[in-house]
Amino acid sequence: QVQLVQSGAEVKKPGASVRVSCKTSGYIFTSYGISWVRQAPGQGLEWMGWINSYNGNTNYGQQFRGRVTMTTDTSTSTAYMELRNLRSDDTAVYYCARDTTVTTGNWFDSWGQGTLVIVSS
Amino acid sequence: QSVLTQPPSVSEAPKQRVTIPCSGSSSNIGSNVVNWYQQFPGKAPKLIIYYDDLLPSGVSDRFSGSKSGTSASLAISGLQSEDEADYYCASWDDSLNGPVFGGGTKLTVL
Repeated sequence: QVQLVQSGAEVKKPGASVRVSCKTSGYIFTSYGISWVRQAPGQGLEWMGWINSYNGNTNYGQQFRGRVTMTTDTSTSTAYMELRNLRSDDTAVYYCARDTTVTTGNWFDSWGQGTLVIVSS
Repeated sequence: QSVLTQPPSVSEAPKQRVTIPCSGSSSNIGSNVVNWYQQFPGKAPKLIIYYDDLLPSGVSDRFSGSKSGTSASLAISGLQSEDEADYYCASWDDSLNGPVFGGGTKLTVL
C-alpha cells in the first residue's frame, strides 16, 4: 500500500533552518509529484509547493519563494523540504502528500503523518 | 483569509443529511476541479472527493460532491458520529498558480 513516512518533530530557534524528509513506498516514486502542506496550530491547510519527482521541477507558493527548497532522492524514493530563516509563525505541522496533477488541477491522495516544527527562542 | 470560503461550522442530527458549501471564483472553482479532505484532530487529512464528484477507493458512498459555477458542495448522508471532523475544500487557482484551500468546516453530529 502507498505510504509516506516523515521525519520526527523539530525544535528550532528563529533564523535557523529545518529539513523535513518524506520517505515513500508502495508506488512508483517518479510517477507522482510531492506537495508540501502545512497547518499552524488551530488553523487551516496551506500549500507550500510541489516538486516533480521525475525531473525535479518545482513550483513554490508565493509566500515561500526564496525561503523554501524542495528536493527528491529517487534512489531512496524520498522527498525533502527545507525551510530557511524560520520565524515563530512557521510553527506548524508540515505534511508531505502524493500529488496527482491533471490539466485542470491537482489533488493529494496519500499523506504523510505530519512533522511538528516548533520555532521558539 | 482563505481564498475559498466555507462556513466555520455545521451541525446536524444522526441519520440526517448535511451539506458543506465552498465558494470561490472564476480563477479557481470556476475553471478547475474541486477536491474535499476530511481531517480528524491530530491526524493527517484524507482525500474523500476528487475531480468534483469522484470517490477514492474505500471512501463511503455516503459522501458526494457537486459543483456549479464558482461554488461547490460536499454532502454527507446518513450522518454518523464518526463523521465528526473538519472538512476542507480545495481547488487550483490560476492566478496564484497553485492549489488553495477553504478555511475548513467543523462538522458536529448532534
